[in-house]
Amino acid sequence: DAGVIQSPRHEVTEMGQEVTLRCKPISGHDYLFWYRQTMMRGLELLIYFNNNVPIDDSGMPEDRFSAKMPNASFSTLKIQPSEPRDSAVYFCASSLGRVWTTGELFFGEGSRLTVL
Amino acid sequence: GNSVTQMEGPVTLSEEAFLTINCTYTATGYPSLFWYVQYPGEGLQLLLKATKADDKGSNKGFEATYRKETTSFHLEKGSVQVSDSAVYFCQGAQKLVFGQGTRLTINP
Repeated sequence: DAGVIQSPRHEVTEMGQEVTLRCKPISGHDYLFWYRQTMMRGLELLIYFNNNVPIDDSGMPEDRFSAKMPNASFSTLKIQPSEPRDSAVYFCASSLGRVWTTGELFFGEGSRLTVL
Repeated sequence: GNSVTQMEGPVTLSEEAFLTINCTYTATGYPSLFWYVQYPGEGLQLLLKATKADDKGSNKGFEATYRKETTSFHLEKGSVQVSDSAVYFCQGAQKLVFGQGTRLTINP
């Protein structure tokens, strides 16, 4: 079975440009998570969805960040305008069922974003 | 609230050395506990888990026992290999946060 698929794997852009990261969760999974990983802060939870509905976006750093999940097989994380401090690896993860008891998250390989 | 505290790294060992990475938890009740591993250039993947007190999770030579007496879930391996070099994260199911993990480097 295919795992969580993210695109692009690498993105280099200039400050002020719009960035869109994409994620296809594992088929049948009902939770989707977006994380950001940096050396300074480690792995931070940005937002998560349940059945395509955003449940908790308290980790989204500011209004420049937005996430959508138009259907069960696709989600986007958008940064507009991008800034150098947004440079990080962004991970998408999905899970089936009550992750708070089963706990297993399936991660994609990440999208490495560099904002110049 | 519920939380896990993980030993900070980095940790550097020689091949075939014994490994312990400490993880302790504070919780109401006994949440499921997990160790994830992140190899260079990859996302996190579940290494092992224990769903109740006194359970032992094991995988790829790694073990961790859910000890309620010491509220611990330490990760151990008897003889590490260079291929075990990675970042390791301890996580409790009631939290979706991972923190910075423990970076392990094994030298040949």
